[in-house]
Amino acid sequence: LAKTTQPISMDSYEGQEVNITCSHNNIATNDYITWYQQFPSQGPRFIIQGYKTKVTNEVASLFIPADRKSSTLSLPRVSLSDTAVYYCLVGDGGAGNNRKLIWGLGTSLAVNP
Amino acid sequence: DTGVSQNPRHKITKRGQNVTFRCDPISEHNRLYWYRQTLGQGPEFLTYFQNEAQLEKSRLLSDRFSAERPKGSFSTLEIQRTEQGDSAMYLCASSSRDRQETQYFGPGTRLLVL
Repeated sequence: LAKTTQPISMDSYEGQEVNITCSHNNIATNDYITWYQQFPSQGPRFIIQGYKTKVTNEVASLFIPADRKSSTLSLPRVSLSDTAVYYCLVGDGGAGNNRKLIWGLGTSLAVNP
Repeated sequence: DTGVSQNPRHKITKRGQNVTFRCDPISEHNRLYWYRQTLGQGPEFLTYFQNEAQLEKSRLLSDRFSAERPKGSFSTLEIQRTEQGDSAMYLCASSSRDRQETQYFGPGTRLLVL
């Protein structure tokens, strides 16, 4: 089963760029890498997803090297409201459509004023 | 609001009682997932449906837990003979079949078993 490893926590300041790296050494060939954000007492929220190279949307960028054994979520110019837990997920490598996401502990990001 | 909804948002019950939670997914999504989350942990997969068919159930799920999605729309999760260890946030999510990694979550139901 593909498993992810992320830092347990990170601290930053408003206006800084934050990069959270996730390792997934056993990612399957057909698995995407997906990042979610979760605020306290709320369900997780999809942020971004990618397969290789770089993906960018209005919220974040995702960098994936050629070997796909890691990925980096980049949050530009964070604000206090970006304080949350960030989860990196890959599929469990199951065949076809019978795959499920494996959730780790996530990275607790604290943005300070 | 066309997002995922869950009811109730909070539930307090006494040990040994049965509880039932409801999830209404995004209407065009045919996949529905149930997760459990305790403080400081990531969501733990419980079960998922494709339309009305329950395709997988976690081995961690005891036989006191049952889920249904009778018409392929809303789903219910029932816990019988609740125990204090069942206290957690129960999350529901939905996705389309071809974008199953992109799951949309509801606000969750927080269960406290006294």
